[in-house]
Amino acid sequence: HVQLLESGPGLVRPSETLSLTCNISGGYINSHYWTWIRQPAGKGLEWIGRFYVTGVHNYNPSLKSRVSMSVDTSKFQFSLKLSSVTAADTALYFCAREGEADGDFHFFEYWGQGAPVTVSS
Amino acid sequence: DVLMTQSPSSLSASVGDRVTITCRASRNINSFLNWYQQMPGKAPKLLIYATSNLQSGVPSRFSASGSGTDFALIISSLQPEDFATYYCQQSYTLPPTFGQGTKVEIK
Repeated sequence: HVQLLESGPGLVRPSETLSLTCNISGGYINSHYWTWIRQPAGKGLEWIGRFYVTGVHNYNPSLKSRVSMSVDTSKFQFSLKLSSVTAADTALYFCAREGEADGDFHFFEYWGQGAPVTVSS
Repeated sequence: DVLMTQSPSSLSASVGDRVTITCRASRNINSFLNWYQQMPGKAPKLLIYATSNLQSGVPSRFSASGSGTDFALIISSLQPEDFATYYCQQSYTLPPTFGQGTKVEIK
């Protein structure tokens, strides 16, 4: 059974870099796209980007200039860095594993519980 | 980006009611549509993928249909544990985008 658990500072100063880690257990890290999604309080879901262990990645164009992701297979961890944060980046950040069906259909199959991040001085 | 619009934004219903939530895409997304359920303070849970495929473990009272730009999620007989917010999500093109959510509340 795949389990994901996000961790990282809950408070980040404006203009600094937000760093989160997703610990993966119960599944293969060497397959599947690993994804970050965020949700401001009381609002909808926004896809941040995804990363494959080979280095293939896709980021949301709205965040692309500030986002980087990586996978550490030895530690079974998936990481997110978001630079130059502002109050607009305050949200609950989820890591998720992307599933696939019939080779074409992608969906977010497993989710972490979410890590709350507040951007404030 | 593909804009996903759900309706209604919220609804009140009673246990046993049949509930329909619709989702419209701003362009043709074929059958690349997924549905999620989110309880307050929890992560979304995948209910249905590729328009109409029930995720393992999801009760059969949930069903969905559609193609192209118009989709629907149906709960045939609402149960107490179904009161939640539901999101549609397109996976036709990057970036994946979500609807704004439909909150199902107790009448």
